[in-house]
Amino acid sequence: EVQLVESGGGLVQPGGSLRLSCAASGFTFSIYWMSWVRQAPGKGLEWVANIKQDAGEKYYMDSVKGRFTISRDNAKNSLYLQMNSLRAEDTAVYYCARDVRGVTVRKSDYWGQGTLVTVSS
Amino acid sequence: DIQMTQSPSSVSASVGDRVTITCRASQDISTWLAWYQQKPGKAPNVLIYAASSLQSGVPSRFSGSGSGTDFSLTISSLQPEDFATYYCQQANSFPLTFGGGTKVEIK
Repeated sequence: EVQLVESGGGLVQPGGSLRLSCAASGFTFSIYWMSWVRQAPGKGLEWVANIKQDAGEKYYMDSVKGRFTISRDNAKNSLYLQMNSLRAEDTAVYYCARDVRGVTVRKSDYWGQGTLVTVSS
Repeated sequence: DIQMTQSPSSVSASVGDRVTITCRASQDISTWLAWYQQKPGKAPNVLIYAASSLQSGVPSRFSGSGSGTDFSLTISSLQPEDFATYYCQQANSFPLTFGGGTKVEIK
């Protein structure tokens, strides 16, 4: 059974840092793209970042470039999101998702349950 | 960046109704579009990918169509478990972008 379990969320002050983790199991982690998607309270979904299987390609939404870093450890079946210089507008539930990216298929087919990040003083 | 515009933002419907949600891309995305369903407090689930391919395990009452800039998701006969929020997402190019969502509510 495919499982994605996020952790590391919590309350942090503006300007602070937080590192989110996503533990993957039930599939061969190293052959999938992975992504982070967030959802502010009462708002819609917002794609944050993607990382290729070998971490050779990484993509970010404009508002987090230079502040957030996506990474992965294929030996540990884990995905990470290092978040620095956090702002109030980064407050959201952060989901990790498994991505299928092929010649005719692009989709996020499994999602974690999410971890809440609250940026507030 | 590619902007995704969904309409309507909400729709009230009854069980058994046919419901159609539309999504428009700000530029040609071929068929690189996916549809997701999200229920309150839960993670999203993919329903449709590549504009019209049904995700395994998703009921056949869900269907998707379109290409280029105009897309639609249709629920042929609304069931109680379908009351949720639906999002389109373009997967043509980074940054990936979602539509604003369509909330399907009970009439």
